[in-house]
Amino acid sequence: KNEVEQSPQNLTAQEGEFITINCSYSVGISALHWLQQHPGGGIVSLFMLSSGKKKHGRLIATINIQEKHSSLHITASHPRDSAVYICAVGGGGGADGLTFGKGTHLIIQP
Amino acid sequence: DGGITQSPKYLFRKEGQNVTLSCEQNLNHDAMYWYRQDPGQGLRLIYYSQIVNDFQKGDIAEGYSVSREKKESFPLTVTSAQKNPTAFYLCASSRTGPSARGAFFGQGTRLTVV
Repeated sequence: KNEVEQSPQNLTAQEGEFITINCSYSVGISALHWLQQHPGGGIVSLFMLSSGKKKHGRLIATINIQEKHSSLHITASHPRDSAVYICAVGGGGGADGLTFGKGTHLIIQP
Repeated sequence: DGGITQSPKYLFRKEGQNVTLSCEQNLNHDAMYWYRQDPGQGLRLIYYSQIVNDFQKGDIAEGYSVSREKKESFPLTVTSAQKNPTAFYLCASSRTGPSARGAFFGQGTRLTVV
């Protein structure tokens, strides 16, 4: 069973700062997801990665398959980026959906 | 637009009552999943289904039941046997069972049992 570790668990930063959230997993995967969960619970899929790097607006996600590690970066952070960011991995031989990290609670202060 | 619809967003029930959470997708995905989220924990798999009329238990299936009579629908029933049903429930779907590629998520249902 895959183990997914996220760091940091909590992060408070000032508006405009560059943010990095890390995700490590223990077993090879076919894809990794970064999800955003706002207060109230709704979850939005930000990225799905199997290799390399993806960019969407101020968000950048990278993955290193050999090191079993992914990072989510937020440039020019804004208070509306405040949310829980969740890493989830899939594949690796299992047919039971995704394994989720516990999430990183991000607060961006104005 | 294609997607996953969970309803309702918030649900309140009295202790001892069964309650059914709805999940519908129009993405033509074969696989569907139910997860549970508790404070301070990652989402955990309750049940999954890779094909109509077939489903498998996940890590925390006790006290829950599902059905998959149609490809588009995967309702979850929280039974009175579930010891601690208050939680956030998330439905997801993907194109193939063994792969996470193309997974989509619903907006979740927050269930409170009083």
